[in-house]
Amino acid sequence: EPEVTQTPSHQVTQMGQEVILRCVPISNHLYFYWYRQILGQKVEFLVSFYNNEISEKSEIFDDQFSVERPDGSNFTLKIRSTKLEDSAMYFCASTPGQPWDEQFFGPGTRLTVL
Amino acid sequence: AQKVTQAQTEISVVEKEDVTLDCVYETRDTTYYLFWYKQPPSGELVFLIRRNSFDEQNEISGRYSWNFQKSTSSFNFTITASQVVDSAVYFCALSGGQTGANNLFFGTGTRLTVIP
Repeated sequence: EPEVTQTPSHQVTQMGQEVILRCVPISNHLYFYWYRQILGQKVEFLVSFYNNEISEKSEIFDDQFSVERPDGSNFTLKIRSTKLEDSAMYFCASTPGQPWDEQFFGPGTRLTVL
Repeated sequence: AQKVTQAQTEISVVEKEDVTLDCVYETRDTTYYLFWYKQPPSGELVFLIRRNSFDEQNEISGRYSWNFQKSTSSFNFTITASQVVDSAVYFCALSGGQTGANNLFFGTGTRLTVIP
């Protein structure tokens, strides 16, 4: 069964460094999302992406964040200058055709900022 | 504004007991979608069910059942004859029915522990 994959599973970085989190959505899916979950808290929406551009973004998704779909398969989240409070699990998700379809989530990348 | 409230932070039950997880939502959309996701200790998010706002039929899938009541803005989830493998955090989520991408608004989750 097709699945969303994410790499790396765990990333440790120093405060102020740039990180890129990678996701490979399910092929032929059209809508892509990033969410984050600070340890022990709820899952929060960051950004959605469709047709090679951002559809929606939350107030969390400030200028330090950017997303890209550099080729036909990868979907990346970049954090330019990480802060301690960026430490969280980051989930990528995709949906097939309609935005209200089930969102298929990847296994997540745990980001630890020291 | 969209909001999902899961008032039960943690629930513990003994194996084989039934348990109901509550979810109350707020939205101004006339068309919206409700979801339940399971997050086991391994951390992934597992889709359980999606309901649209026009379908108030209750649903049963094996030991799982869902009760959607628009009148009380609730979408509760019941596990019958709970098992240890049901131990997880369960999230209720809401998305709007507008055109364009629909991000999910999650509740704070209910941690269910099933004691053998």
